[in-house]
Amino acid sequence: AQKVTQAQTEISVVEKEDVTLDCVYETRDTTYYLFWYKQPPSGELVFLIRRNSFDEQNEISGRYSWNFQKSTSSFNFTITASQVVDSAVYFCAWSGSSNTGKLIFGQGTTLQVKP
Amino acid sequence: EAGVTQFPSHSVIEKGQTVTLRCDPISGHDNLYWYRRVMGKEIKFLLHFVKESKQDESGMPNNRFLAERTGGTYSTLKVQPAELEDSGVYFCASSPDRIEQYFGPGTRLTVT
Repeated sequence: AQKVTQAQTEISVVEKEDVTLDCVYETRDTTYYLFWYKQPPSGELVFLIRRNSFDEQNEISGRYSWNFQKSTSSFNFTITASQVVDSAVYFCAWSGSSNTGKLIFGQGTTLQVKP
Repeated sequence: EAGVTQFPSHSVIEKGQTVTLRCDPISGHDNLYWYRRVMGKEIKFLLHFVKESKQDESGMPNNRFLAERTGGTYSTLKVQPAELEDSGVYFCASSPDRIEQYFGPGTRLTVT
């Protein structure tokens, strides 16, 4: 069965530090998608990125970057020069191409960025 | 374009009462999903509609939960009777293609 693990329950950093959120997934599927969502204190889920299993190219978007490595079944998320506004719960999720599209989420990592 | 909306944003009910949550998806999205996050745990899938049909309801916890999507537009999720363990945040998401899911703001349900 598919599983997503975010081993870091809570991370606390000081503003301007870099921080990496880990995500490890388990699947036997060859085609799948990986996602990161952000849940700020206001509660909504904000989509950050989607990657399909055939695209291992790393991606950078401003201060955010993602490292997808199929060899280690990981899809890690790095925030460079963190800011207080980055404080949120971050969820990694998996979706298979052969199923209904339902997302399987990790447990979430609560990131606190202190000024 | 309006996003996914959910109503109410917050509901506090007593154990044994009934609550109905509503989700209005993005217009034209055939796929509608319900998820919930119980305090401190991961977000879990509840069910998936394609238009008005239930495609996958494998995540529904028990028969106290009833979801409908009349006419393939908005959806309701009824909990009857509510139990303490039903407390959490209920998210709705819609999708045009089962890949990109757009989430609503969630309904925080508190059962006392």
